[in-house]
Amino acid sequence: DAKTTQPPSMDCAEGRAANLPCNHSTISGNEYVYWYRQIHSQGPQYIIHGLKNNETNEMASLIITEDRKSSTLILPHATLRDTAVYYCIVRVGNSGNTPLVFGKGTRLSVIA
Amino acid sequence: GAVVSQHPSRVICKSGTSVKIECRSLDFQATTMFWYRQFPKQSLMLMATSNEGSKATYEQGVEKDKFLINHASLTLSTLTVTSAHPEDSSFYICSARGGGNIQYFGAGTRLSVL
Repeated sequence: DAKTTQPPSMDCAEGRAANLPCNHSTISGNEYVYWYRQIHSQGPQYIIHGLKNNETNEMASLIITEDRKSSTLILPHATLRDTAVYYCIVRVGNSGNTPLVFGKGTRLSVIA
Repeated sequence: GAVVSQHPSRVICKSGTSVKIECRSLDFQATTMFWYRQFPKQSLMLMATSNEGSKATYEQGVEKDKFLINHASLTLSTLTVTSAHPEDSSFYICSARGGGNIQYFGAGTRLSVL
């Protein structure tokens, strides 16, 4: 079973920031938080991951609470192409041979 | 990021035939690859872990004799759906570990069994 809880759906206006929350209250000390997204009929796309510090890359920012029990993925300026299902996954970070376990994710709809 | 190529992207076959799906890591070597299945409006479900040079590890409820996995090289894993039936129609996706312990996914194969 997935170790994360996400809202089933969210809407966001085009050009605005999309803030996607994730609860992972049972996360272990050696588990990272990964975010992927899946655009319709495609394979999942890696977005970002982190352990305890906030992270930023060209796609998004990841904010992890100090107690690490929750996190927020931020898409700073959402576009229509960001419409997708976003998955928050926790996994032991240094074990690349451990599969990702997907929950139901959040379906983000970016509206013009 | 690393590229995982999956082929074919779409296949339609008659019931009872076998279908082979290929998963290649194009710019890196992958000793381990993963195969997932996704039914409409559902999330990805792990089917099996493919290990180069050894037998695959299957998840509970996945028939190993029906879903044959071969990982004969560091860049190629294949999934063969044997004697496919309509209930095997699904979206099959593979993944492999690239740099930074990040899993990269193929584009998926949509299988339709008539």
